[in-house]
Amino acid sequence: NAGVMQNPRHLVRRRGQEARLRCSPMKGHSHVYWYRQLPEEGLKFMVYLQKENIIDESGMPKERFSAEFPKEGPSILRIQQVVRGDSAAYFCASSPGAGNTEAFFGQGTRLTVV
Amino acid sequence: AQKVTQAQTEISVVEKEDVTLDCVYETRDTTYYLFWYKQPPSGELVFLIRRNSFDEQNEISGRYSWNFQKSTSSFNFTITASQVVDSAVYFCALSEGLGAGGSYIPTFGRGTSLIVHP
Repeated sequence: NAGVMQNPRHLVRRRGQEARLRCSPMKGHSHVYWYRQLPEEGLKFMVYLQKENIIDESGMPKERFSAEFPKEGPSILRIQQVVRGDSAAYFCASSPGAGNTEAFFGQGTRLTVV
Repeated sequence: AQKVTQAQTEISVVEKEDVTLDCVYETRDTTYYLFWYKQPPSGELVFLIRRNSFDEQNEISGRYSWNFQKSTSSFNFTITASQVVDSAVYFCALSEGLGAGGSYIPTFGRGTSLIVHP
């Protein structure tokens, strides 16, 4: 049973380009969370999704950022018109569903904006 | 609102020393969950433990132990006989109640960087 898969592991974008980060949850997991880790800081919650639905996006910046988790395929975190301040590690986690279980994290995507 | 405080930014020890990483949390919920994660230099996040608010028993796993004290809202993590491979950033996290959709969204502390010198 593969863990949470994130790709790419490293992504370099020029200012103004778009960044697309992908997350394939663990098999059987229908809940996905995205977190951002800025240098020297902890993880900040961005968005929580279930299949085809955004449940909580209270941590998402209001502009340029969007997320989806389609019925088929991975969850996508999309950052339009990237700026240097978007440089960070973006982690995806998944959990099986309702009720508490631990969230399993992927290895992260390190976005560098040049 | 939930909050997690890891007051120790960085701890430096010599191999074989015991070390305790502190975690203090704030929550208004009576049902909540506490977690510890390890982030080694390679960057991935490794789950270490989950504890629910109704279980105050201390936990030991090899050289790792956790002390959950509801009276002081603390969930401290001790590494006994530390090793160089323990060098990492350690995060404490809290998820409270039932969030939207019936799931729990962990809130993380800022992390404690542990450096174990040979």
